[in-house]
Amino acid sequence: GAVVSQHPSRVICKSGTSVKIECRSLDFQATTMFWYRQFPKKSLMLMATSNEGSKATYEQGVEKDKFLINHASLTLSTLTVTSAHPEDSSFYICSARDSRRGTGQFFGPGTRLTVL
Amino acid sequence: GEDVEQSLFLSVREGDSSVINCTYTDSSSTYLYWYKQEPGAGLQLLTYIFSNMDMKQDQRLTVLLNKKDKHLSLRIADTQTGDSAIYFCAESIDTGGFKTIFGAGTRLFVKA
Repeated sequence: GAVVSQHPSRVICKSGTSVKIECRSLDFQATTMFWYRQFPKKSLMLMATSNEGSKATYEQGVEKDKFLINHASLTLSTLTVTSAHPEDSSFYICSARDSRRGTGQFFGPGTRLTVL
Repeated sequence: GEDVEQSLFLSVREGDSSVINCTYTDSSSTYLYWYKQEPGAGLQLLTYIFSNMDMKQDQRLTVLLNKKDKHLSLRIADTQTGDSAIYFCAESIDTGGFKTIFGAGTRLFVKA
């Protein structure tokens, strides 16, 4: 149980394009999903938290117009990096939990984004 | 404040046991996790333990939790070269908002 998947696992895009990353909870309902970014040789940095059906809450310093988060269902959240720049290249990791049942927070495998 | 600390590096010989330690500061943790990350790859959940448990065993992995000392450990028996990776300790706390805090990661190097 507690499986979270992400798609794609790797993506390369040109500067100025937009990239969408999907995060799915496979065997539980994710009332809350989190998006993290991991810089090389660093731990995870929380970008935003979203509750199903509500707007995401962004951490300080994270541009909400650049990192669009949609959490339209209990099993799917998407992160869209708009007008990507090379400095957006990073490892993006989502996680999910069912806050109604008080489960833990389980993490997806991550998506490596490279912007050329 | 909330903090999770772990040593940055551990080196063991193949076949030996590895013990990776972690300490945390928040006593209201609900779940504690161990994740593995291989170079260039994503996070792989190895195991997790509820805060009301003392021990959890899963094949070669043994997790010990000492709530009094706020200490979590991961023991890998018969360590193999394929176990070389970074191991992240993390705790989830739920006090007025749920969040998970990660340690900086312990890099395990297994010598053949």
